[in-house]
Amino acid sequence: GQSLEQPSEVTAVEGAIVQINCTYQTSGFYGLSWYQQHDGGAPTFLSYNALDGLEETGRFSSFLSRSDSYGYLLLQELQMKDSASYFCAVDNYGQNFVFGPGTRLSVLP
Amino acid sequence: NAGVTQTPKFRILKIGQSMTLQCTQDMNHNYMYWYRQDPGMGLKLIYYSVGAGITDKGEVPNGYNVSRSTTEDFPLRLELAAPSQTSVYFCASSQSGANTEAFFGQGTRLTVV
Repeated sequence: GQSLEQPSEVTAVEGAIVQINCTYQTSGFYGLSWYQQHDGGAPTFLSYNALDGLEETGRFSSFLSRSDSYGYLLLQELQMKDSASYFCAVDNYGQNFVFGPGTRLSVLP
Repeated sequence: NAGVTQTPKFRILKIGQSMTLQCTQDMNHNYMYWYRQDPGMGLKLIYYSVGAGITDKGEVPNGYNVSRSTTEDFPLRLELAAPSQTSVYFCASSQSGANTEAFFGQGTRLTVV
């Protein structure tokens, strides 16, 4: 089976940097994705890491260490609109996604 | 530019009733997925399909059935609805599996009373 762990809540102020961690245990790991979900909305894709290292996309970066079964999402220059839930998801044998429990990010003015 | 379309958006079912949640995508994606999300929780995979005619179970398949007769459509059938199936259901699709971006529909909010 698979299991993923994320912090349940993170709070930060506008303009700050925040890191959301994800640890996983899985038998068919191909990669790690990150999704954002605003309240009442659908998840939207942020990033995918198949290899170790840091991937940067604008204000968001995602990191993966396969040897440590660990990844994180880094959000820089936080804005109020970044308040949302963030989910890591394991790429399971390249066929489907198994999601973590999610981290609720609150950005304060 | 529809993407993934789910119907209905809201539904209230009585215990023991059945219904089909519709999902259609216009991006010619091979992979399609059904997830459920309970309040404040992550998404749990119910069923997925890697192409027309092929379906497989996810983490929580009990009480559900699916079919994939065309590339575009992936309906989810609930038989004998139970209160435990009260949830928000999301359909998603991706071009070539979990290493590509998944596009989600807007969800169906189902309440079983």
